[in-house]
Amino acid sequence: DARVTQTPRHKVTEMGQEVTMRCQPILGHNTVFWYRQTMMQGLELLAYFRNRAPLDDSGMPKDRFSAEMPDATLATLKIQPSEPRDSAVYFCASGPPITTNEKLFFGSGTQLSVL
Amino acid sequence: SQKIEQNSEALNIQEGKTATLTCNYTNYSPAYLQWYRQDPGRGPVFLLLIRENEKEKRKERLKVTFDTTLKQSLFHITASQPADSATYLCAISGDYGQNFVFGPGTRLSVLP
Repeated sequence: DARVTQTPRHKVTEMGQEVTMRCQPILGHNTVFWYRQTMMQGLELLAYFRNRAPLDDSGMPKDRFSAEMPDATLATLKIQPSEPRDSAVYFCASGPPITTNEKLFFGSGTQLSVL
Repeated sequence: SQKIEQNSEALNIQEGKTATLTCNYTNYSPAYLQWYRQDPGRGPVFLLLIRENEKEKRKERLKVTFDTTLKQSLFHITASQPADSATYLCAISGDYGQNFVFGPGTRLSVLP
């Protein structure tokens, strides 16, 4: 069963530390999304890639967050420096080429706690 | 900016009844509207998609309607079961997957 893989599943860190979250999209998918979920804000779109190119990262705090796709099998989301308000569950989702299907497949998320 | 609202934060219904969830959006004309299910500790799972030129879509006990004039979608679960208890999220997106935005979700509890 093809699935989106996210690592780590849980991360506890101290304020000021760098955090890197990784995502392996489903093979053949060409769109990747990063979302952040909190009780207060729900699912917030942070960044969107198509064919590894960032098309929209307007939802991401630029001063501390960065998202990249070094290759088609890996997407990364970095926070440097991390702050307590960054505590949330971060989801990666991938989607097949737009012309064939439009639904998203989500990973299990990275639960981040910044102390 | 675009905004998505779902009718209530939580909805309790009796087993066997039909659950109806509402999704309203503003300041946007989406090409697609989708519904996802999310269980605690898991990522959302796709349920149904409806396009802007479609009025209704069905899949087993699920039915989605899409009214682009009212800017509203209704999501129905007929013959509800306790196993249907979860949070249901609606999402809208453009022609090429841009602006793939989710609503806050409705937590459905089906009581036996």
